[in-house]
Amino acid sequence: GENVEQHPSTLSVQEGDSAVIKCTYSDSASNYFPWYKQELGKGPQLIIDIRSNVGEKKDQRIAVTLNKTAKHFSLHITETQPEDSAVYFCAARKGGTSYGKLTFGQGTILTVHP
Amino acid sequence: GAGVSQSPSNKVTEKGKDVELRCDPISGHTALYWYRQSLGQGLEFLIYFQGNSAPDKSGLPSDRFSAERTGGSVSTLTIQRTQQEDSAVYLCASSSEGLEWGGHFGPGTRLLVL
Repeated sequence: GENVEQHPSTLSVQEGDSAVIKCTYSDSASNYFPWYKQELGKGPQLIIDIRSNVGEKKDQRIAVTLNKTAKHFSLHITETQPEDSAVYFCAARKGGTSYGKLTFGQGTILTVHP
Repeated sequence: GAGVSQSPSNKVTEKGKDVELRCDPISGHTALYWYRQSLGQGLEFLIYFQGNSAPDKSGLPSDRFSAERTGGSVSTLTIQRTQQEDSAVYLCASSSEGLEWGGHFGPGTRLLVL
């Protein structure tokens, strides 16, 4: 089955710096890659996603890049703010399925220091 | 309602007891998923509903776990004869198929088996 590895497990940055979280996946048939932000005591919230026919996608301070050949994708957060502090999860969905059965990475605890 | 709701928010039970966890999806969402999140881990897929049927229940860890959905809306996840390893956060998500594969997650039920 699909396996998703996420690094780093923890990331500490200063406010205003950029943060990058990387994920690799094992199944070349995967074609949908969402990223989630989870704050303490809450469920994961979808913040950005990318499909395999696109190499990069941006939404304000957040961007995701996908390298299908290398089977890895990354989340980039620019101009970080303290409210960006949370746990971030990447996920992958196998192509050929018509529903959202996702395989998640282990998560990255991001801390943004004021 | 504004989002996916789950109840109870917290549940403490004794080993061997049965528990029922409830999920109310976003109105009109036909797809519903249950995931499990153990401490410090990523999310683990349990079961997927399309309407009232469950085409994929491959993630249920054992026959002590079961789930049902009625009226294409509310879903209940039942764990019989709970074990300490069942302690986790149980998350429910719903989505409109073909539009939002990433889904909307509820806040979760935190289950502690003593």
